[in-house]
Amino acid sequence: GAGVSQSPRYKVAKRGQDVALRCDPISGHVSLFWYQQALGQGPEFLTYFQNEAQLDKSGLPSDRFFAERPEGSVSTLKIQRTQQEDSAVYLCASSLVAGVLGANYGYTFGSGTRLTVV
Amino acid sequence: KQEVTQIPAALSVPEGENLVLNCSFTDSAIYNLQWFRQDPGKGLTSLLLIQSSQREQTSGRLNASLDKSSGRSTLYIAASQPGDSATYLCAVRGNFNKFYFGSGTKLNVKP
Repeated sequence: GAGVSQSPRYKVAKRGQDVALRCDPISGHVSLFWYQQALGQGPEFLTYFQNEAQLDKSGLPSDRFFAERPEGSVSTLKIQRTQQEDSAVYLCASSLVAGVLGANYGYTFGSGTRLTVV
Repeated sequence: KQEVTQIPAALSVPEGENLVLNCSFTDSAIYNLQWFRQDPGKGLTSLLLIQSSQREQTSGRLNASLDKSSGRSTLYIAASQPGDSATYLCAVRGNFNKFYFGSGTKLNVKP
């Protein structure tokens, strides 16, 4: 597609519910990132995929967070047993090139999913 | 860990003013620095990307500079317009896997 698409745009979950957030990157983009943005803050890195391989998950805040990209395109971020502190905007970004060369390229961000845990 | 700070946190100016947004980072070992714009409820739009070997980049009324050794970048906006109102985020690329973002500067340009 023309841009990075994320769904749903808004999600309200009751505390303890599981949620799944979807990211459709730009077709052919190798690199895919997930970021978490709390209100009034800058985005914080969660995890990085190169094709289907999750190369860095150091930013995932707990084992309740799980991300996958099984076919190297669409990615899903799953949060189990949601807590109020999980309330944030979850942003996905993709880039055509990976690795060191990818450092020279910019990234395209999606509009994000705003998760509210009540 | 890389720390990125943006000053000021908020700025309100009358239309037509030139303005400067500041970004500082603690680790000078970066690949590049990128300025983004974020409108309420929207994702991030890339404005300017400066490679570590570059000193500045320009796009229209925007000019971004980078002083890697001192850990600083500035975004200069000339002749500001109400449509420039948004949050501006600075991000540095410490390795090829991730950006480190500042908390942003919320800009309001009054007509």
